[in-house]
Amino acid sequence: AQSVTQLDSQVPVFEEAPVELRCNYSSSVSVYLFWYVQYPNQGLQLLLKYLSGSTLVESINGFEAEFNKSQTSFHLRKPSVHISDTAEYFCAVEYAGKSTFGDGTTLTVKP
Amino acid sequence: DAGVTQSPTHLIKTRGQQVTLRCSPKSGHDTVSWYQQALGQGPQFIFQYYEEEERQRGNFPDRFSGHQFPNYSSELNVNALLLGDSALYLCASSPKGGNGGTEAFFGQGTRLTVV
Repeated sequence: AQSVTQLDSQVPVFEEAPVELRCNYSSSVSVYLFWYVQYPNQGLQLLLKYLSGSTLVESINGFEAEFNKSQTSFHLRKPSVHISDTAEYFCAVEYAGKSTFGDGTTLTVKP
Repeated sequence: DAGVTQSPTHLIKTRGQQVTLRCSPKSGHDTVSWYQQALGQGPQFIFQYYEEEERQRGNFPDRFSGHQFPNYSSELNVNALLLGDSALYLCASSPKGGNGGTEAFFGQGTRLTVV
């Protein structure tokens, strides 16, 4: 079985500051790793994913995440956040078509 | 492409009743997964349908059942509703059986309230 732990339930940050949302996972098999974003009253949207290859993956809107196999982590980072980044962020692992999600981190960007 | 569409968007039911939620997958997708997202929590996997059969199931009781039709659309049925079934129900579709890290596209969900 797989499990995902998002270490921070809420992260408040000022606009243009850097941010890191932390995610650790547990699995006895190799899994694929994902970050999803959820805006209020909406479904989840894929932010980025790690399947194989380079351990650093990037999204089109400036987020990046690094897969660390030894620490079983997949932390999400952005060097400078915007007000529009305010949302719920979910880390997930996928194995054999089944995704297991963490409980989410609420990112609040303040002006 | 309309993406993944779910209906209805909101629903209020009485404890003990039955409910059916519907999902149309993104064009070209053949796999549908259902998730329950309680307030303040991440989505929990209910089950996945592929080729009209339930392929995987999470830790949900038999009160939760589903169906996939030949056009790949899907229904989630919940019998004998409990107050604890109140949640956002998300449908996700993916191509090629949903394996191997393929991206899942989520609908906006159905908000079910049991009173």
